[in-house]
Amino acid sequence: GAVVSQHPSWVICKSGTSVKIECRSLDFQATTMFWYRQFPKQSLMLMATSNEGSKATYEQGVEKDKFLINHASLTLSTLTVTSAHPEDSSFYICSGGAGAYNEQFFGPGTRLTVL
Amino acid sequence: EDQVTQSPEALRLQEGESSSLNCSYTVSGLRGLFWYRQDPGKGPEFLFTLYSAGEEKEKERLKATLTKKESFLHITAPKPEDSATYLCAVRGGKLIFGQGTELSVKP
Repeated sequence: GAVVSQHPSWVICKSGTSVKIECRSLDFQATTMFWYRQFPKQSLMLMATSNEGSKATYEQGVEKDKFLINHASLTLSTLTVTSAHPEDSSFYICSGGAGAYNEQFFGPGTRLTVL
Repeated sequence: EDQVTQSPEALRLQEGESSSLNCSYTVSGLRGLFWYRQDPGKGPEFLFTLYSAGEEKEKERLKATLTKKESFLHITAPKPEDSATYLCAVRGGKLIFGQGTELSVKP
């Protein structure tokens, strides 16, 4: 299957700082990448859809000024959590579409803890 | 509104005890049903894609089937390493995930 990487795998930051998470498709080109967050014991919640070279589409209730998404190339999308607060602590996962049926392949996730 | 419901929420099996996980869905224009495995602290790992009723896919001890209303993930003679959360997702417009079934297989 297609491989997606994320960096960092975990990050701890102070409240009010910004954190950038990178998502890379290693062996395929992803015109579209997706960003999810997941709280403990809950399923994945789609935050936004990132299209290469254009603005991301955010889901209802997700603050686009707080979660900045950039999809600079067909293999790289970034999520920046600006002015992070403890309630932003979560597990953030990205995915990219590939394969004959555009299956989504997920990265390993990034654990964000805001103190 | 597109919906996905998985049952049971949690399942405990003895090693070798076969069972099935259920994924019920309602979607306008199914464009694929997907099964994923997720280990704690990791991203989902792709298992299967199903597109049409009657379709079946197999991988090692896992077999996924699809009807017009639900999908089953059958686990035959499970081993402890099969312990994980299994997620079902359907694509109508966007990809929608169920809550998952947490499977625990005891030796």
